[in-house]
Amino acid sequence: GAVVSQHPSRVICKSGTSVKIECRSLDFQATTMFWYRQFPKQSLMLMATSNEGSKATYEQGVEKDKFLINHASLTLSTLTVTSAHPEDSSFYICSARVLAGGIQFFGPGTRLTVL
Amino acid sequence: QKEVEQDPGPLSVPEGAIVSLNCTYSNSAFQYFMWYRQYSRKGPELLMYTYSSGNKEDGRFTAQVDKSSKYISLFIRDSQPSDSATYLCAMTVQGAQKLVFGQGTRLTINP
Repeated sequence: GAVVSQHPSRVICKSGTSVKIECRSLDFQATTMFWYRQFPKQSLMLMATSNEGSKATYEQGVEKDKFLINHASLTLSTLTVTSAHPEDSSFYICSARVLAGGIQFFGPGTRLTVL
Repeated sequence: QKEVEQDPGPLSVPEGAIVSLNCTYSNSAFQYFMWYRQYSRKGPELLMYTYSSGNKEDGRFTAQVDKSSKYISLFIRDSQPSDSATYLCAMTVQGAQKLVFGQGTRLTINP
């Protein structure tokens, strides 16, 4: 299957700092990438849909000024959590969509802890 | 009512048993059906992908889609402790951007 990587896998930061998470499709081009958030023992919560070269589409309740998404190329999307606070601590997962059908391939996730 | 319903479990079975995981859905327009496996603290991994109705088999895994009943299943034969994970069903409409996920079923295979 297609491979999606995320970096970093884990980050610990102080409250008020910004954190950038990278998502890369390694062996295919992804016109669409997705960012999810997952709390313990819960399913995935879609935060935003990112299309290459255009602005991201955010889900209701997700602050676009806090969670900045950039999709500059067909293989790279970044999520920046600005002025992070402890309540932003979570598991962030990206996915990339193959053109055919609705299949999404997921990255390994990034665990963010804000102190 | 949720668009996709999945029993969260937990489900615990002995090694070697046949496992049946299921999801029901309400949107008859769904055409693409997926099963993902997620280990603790990892991203979901695509296991099976089915378009429209029918069965699909891959090794020990079989996916079934019954569109008339709006019901999908994943069967795991000869279950192994390494199959212990959370299993998520997901589905979407042709041309749609988003996947709709079930809640996920936590499965434990006991040696």
